[in-house]
Order: sequence, then structure tokens, then C-alpha cells
Amino acid sequence: EVHLLESGGDLAQPGGSLRLSCVTSGFTFSEYAMSWVRQAPGKGLEFVASVFGSGDDTEYADSVKGRFTISKDHSKNTLNLQMNSLRAEDTAAYYCARWLGPQSVYAYWGQGTLVTVSS
Amino acid sequence: DIQMTQTPSSLSASVGDRVTIACRTSQNVDIYVNWYQQRPGEVPKLLVHSASSLFSEVPSRVSGSGSGTDFTLTISSLQPEDSATYYCQQSYTKPTFGQGTKVEI
Repeated sequence: EVHLLESGGDLAQPGGSLRLSCVTSGFTFSEYAMSWVRQAPGKGLEFVASVFGSGDDTEYADSVKGRFTISKDHSKNTLNLQMNSLRAEDTAAYYCARWLGPQSVYAYWGQGTLVTVSS
Repeated sequence: DIQMTQTPSSLSASVGDRVTIACRTSQNVDIYVNWYQQRPGEVPKLLVHSASSLFSEVPSRVSGSGSGTDFTLTISSLQPEDSATYYCQQSYTKPTFGQGTKVEI
């Protein structure tokens, strides 16, 4: 059974940094692309970033490009999101999600971790 | 980025009703549209992928159709547990989501 468990969400100051992690189990981590998707309070879903299979290739939403870095730690079966230069508009629940196959179909989701950016 | 427009933004229906949610993309995405259900306080769940393929354990009263730029999600006989917000998403290029349709029963 696929399990995804996020951690690292916290209150951060504008301009600050946070690192989110998503520990995975129940599948071969290196064989699947994964993404971070966020949801601001009371709002809809927004793609943040994806990392493909081996971790060599990544894709980012324009809103986070240059500030966030997605990565895979294959030794720990863990997906990471390094978030720098945080802004108030980054406040959201952040979900990690595993793709179903070669397309960005989000078949499995974690429970989410809350990031609040405020002074 | 490809824009996703869902209609309606909300609807109210009764148990047993047939409900249809539409999603239009700003450019041709072939069949690469997916649908998710998010109940209040819960994590999104995949319902339909590739326009019409039901994900595992999704009840057969749920169906999806469409190709190109116009897609629909249909619930043939609405049940109380279908009260949720539904999102379409394209996976043709960099992912984008519709703004959501809230279904109240």
C-alpha cells in the first residue's frame, strides 16, 4: 500500500526558509515522478513542482521558480521541497503526490503539511 | 500555461439526481484531463484520469468524457457522500487545475 507522510510545515517570516519532507513507502521510489501541490486556505489546488523518476529533471510553477527546489533522496525514499524567500502568498497546505504513470496524474496524496508565512 | 475553466462554480442537487460538471481548456489537451474529489477537511482523491478512465475503487456512478478542449464529469445518481468540491486538471503540459465546483446535497 502506498503511503506518503509530509512534515516540516511551520510558521515562517517573510523572506525566510523552510524545508518540507515527504517520506514514502509501498512502491519503488525511483520509478515514479512526484509533485508538490498546494492549497491556500479556502482556495483551490495549485501545482508547485515536480521531479521525475531518477530526480535529474524537475519542473516548477512560475510563482515559485528560483525560490523553491524539489529533490529526491533515494537513500531515504523521501521527497523534499526547499522553500526560500518565502512570501505571504506561499501560505498553504502543501501536499506531496505520486504520479500514476508517465503523466502528471496525482494518484496518491499525503495528508498535507501547513506552511504559514507571516510576520 | 493552459487555463482551465470549470462550470458551474457551485451547484445544489438532491440525492438521486444526475449531475454534470464541465471543464474547458484554453488549448487542445487531447485526452489528458483528470478529475479529483475533495470532501471538506479531506485530502483530494483521484476519480478519473485520461478523460474517461475510472481510478481504482471509484464507484461506477462516476464517469468522465471529452477530448480536445471540452470535458465533463458526470455523477449519474448523486449520493450524500458525493457532497464535495470537484477539480479538473490537465496533464498535457505543466499541470494546471480548474477553480473547482462545489456540489451541495
